[in-house]
Amino acid sequence: DAGVTQSPTHLIKTRGQHVTLRCSPISGHKSVSWYQQVLGQGPQFIFQYYEKEERGRGNFPDRFSARQFPNYSSELNVNALLLGDSALYLCASSAGQGLETQYFGPGTRLLVL
Amino acid sequence: AQTVTQSQPEMSVQEAETVTLSCTYDTSESDYYLFWYKQPPSRQMILVIRQEAYKQQNATENRFSVNFQKAAKSFSLKISDSQLGDAAMYFCAYRPAQKLVFGQGTRLTINP
Repeated sequence: DAGVTQSPTHLIKTRGQHVTLRCSPISGHKSVSWYQQVLGQGPQFIFQYYEKEERGRGNFPDRFSARQFPNYSSELNVNALLLGDSALYLCASSAGQGLETQYFGPGTRLLVL
Repeated sequence: AQTVTQSQPEMSVQEAETVTLSCTYDTSESDYYLFWYKQPPSRQMILVIRQEAYKQQNATENRFSVNFQKAAKSFSLKISDSQLGDAAMYFCAYRPAQKLVFGQGTRLTINP
């Protein structure tokens, strides 16, 4: 079975631009979570979606938004990019929204110049 | 506040020996899960081991085992018979509900 997939793998943007990152969960998983990992730090929680509804949000500005589609794939959108948004963006899927193991994708490396 | 602390930024061990990575966490929840994830240079986060807080028995996965002390809010990872492929960043994580809360990580080096 395929694991969590993310696209693109790498991305370079300039300040002020918009970016969309995509994630496909493990087959049968209905929950997708997004994390931001700045170099040298642990991942920070951005969003959780379950059954196409937002179920949790971390301490990130409104420039960050996400959605989940009927096939349970998800998009993370970031508007008005700042240099500080440069990071590895990780997507994780789990079967449900509760106390379950999250499995991570390979991540998207975003560089903002 | 829910926080996870890994007090060892770096650790090193000789190949075939045993190493223990430390983790403490702060929570007022009674029901939660704890995890150790491994992040090699490829940066894919890989699950190593999971511990449910309601279980008293420590989890074990092959060469990996944990020492879970719920009252002390401590969750250490022991790696036995260390192998070169174990070299990576190791993150301790706590999950009370929707999200995972990660520590800062411990970089493990394996010396041949």
